[in-house]
Parts: sequence; structure tokens; C-alpha cells
Amino acid sequence: QKEVEQNSGPLSVPEGAIASLNCTYSDRGSQSFFWYRQYSGKSPELIMFIYSNGDKEDGRFTAQLNKASQYVSLLIRDSQPSDSATYLCAVDTGGFKTIFGAGTRLFVKA
Amino acid sequence: EAGVAQSPRYKIIEKRQSVAFWCNPISGHATLYWYQQILGQGPKLLIQFQNNGVVDDSQLPKDRFSAERLKGVDSTLKIQPAKLEDSAVYLCASSLDPQGREAFFGQGTRLTVV
Repeated sequence: QKEVEQNSGPLSVPEGAIASLNCTYSDRGSQSFFWYRQYSGKSPELIMFIYSNGDKEDGRFTAQLNKASQYVSLLIRDSQPSDSATYLCAVDTGGFKTIFGAGTRLFVKA
Repeated sequence: EAGVAQSPRYKIIEKRQSVAFWCNPISGHATLYWYQQILGQGPKLLIQFQNNGVVDDSQLPKDRFSAERLKGVDSTLKIQPAKLEDSAVYLCASSLDPQGREAFFGQGTRLTVV
């Protein structure tokens, strides 16, 4: 069973701090990795994707991928109350199948 | 660009009744997904279509769930008969192709089975 694991949280950080969200996956053949944000009662929306080892930055968001450790993370700099949401890690395990983790709830305190 | 459209937004049915959900993906998106999201969990893939062919339905409870995608565009997901544990949000998503592309989600249908 291919799995994607996330800490369910809640992760609580003060406004302006860096929020660090982590995800591990079991299938070494996985090629594509996605971070989705889901506000309460809303659908997931893509905020970052990463295919290669290393870091990828987009505004306040940085995705980090380490395929050897089967680990992907999302850093949110200068966290804002509006970043409070559930962050879903999704992994394309190959065979055109994407598996989602259960998500980490982030709470940014004003 | 119009997003993924789903209907209805909410549905309440009694157990053993049947229900159907409809999805219209983003124009030009060949891949369509149906996910089930139970409260507090991540989305679980039920079925994935590439055009009008099924790519993966390994987690679809085929004794009660069925789905079709006519002409490679719109799709319907049906549950018959419904059970209490089917209460969830049913999300439809689409992507340009299945090869690691981002998926765009519809607003979802919240199903409550009583």
C-alpha cells in the first residue's frame, strides 16, 4: 500500500514566523510532489509543485524535496492569519496515480 | 477560464437510497478524477478517467458505486444503495493529462446519509 504521511497538527505559529510542514512518502518511484491548501469547507487548491531534488521558491512559499529520504516539506515565511488552513501533500506515485496525505492543520495566531 | 463545475452542492438522503453527482471539467482537460473526502481526512481517489476510459478504479466500492464519463467530457458518480459511511464530500477534479500535472478541484458535493 503506497502511503503519504503527514502530521495532522494543529501546527500553531505566531504571525510573521516561519511555518514548516512535512510529508513523507513510501513509494521510491514517485516523481511529482504537490502541496495543496484547503480552507475549511472549501476545495483543495494547488500552491506548489516540485519534481526535482532541492528547493523551489514561489513568493513566501518554499518546497523542499529529498528523494533519497523520501521527504518533502513546505515552508511558509512571514506567516499570515490568512494562511490558516489545512495543507495537503500529494504524491504522484507513477502509473498516473496521485495519493493525498491526510493533511496538516496550520493555525497562524495574530 | 471556467473552473470545474459540480452539482448539487449539498445532498441529504436516507440510507439505502440512491444519489447521483454530476461534474463538468475544465475545457480541454483529458483527465477527470472523483475523490471522496471524509471529515478530517485527505481526499481518497475513487476513480480516474483518461478521456472516457477508466485509468484507475481500484478504490471504488463497485458493489454500490458507479461512474461514467460520456464523450470524454461530463461525468456522473452514482451511489446505490447509500450507507451511513458514505457521508463525505465528493470532489471532482480535472487535469490536462495524468502525468503529474496539477489537478483543479470543483467545489464538491457534501453528502449526508441519515
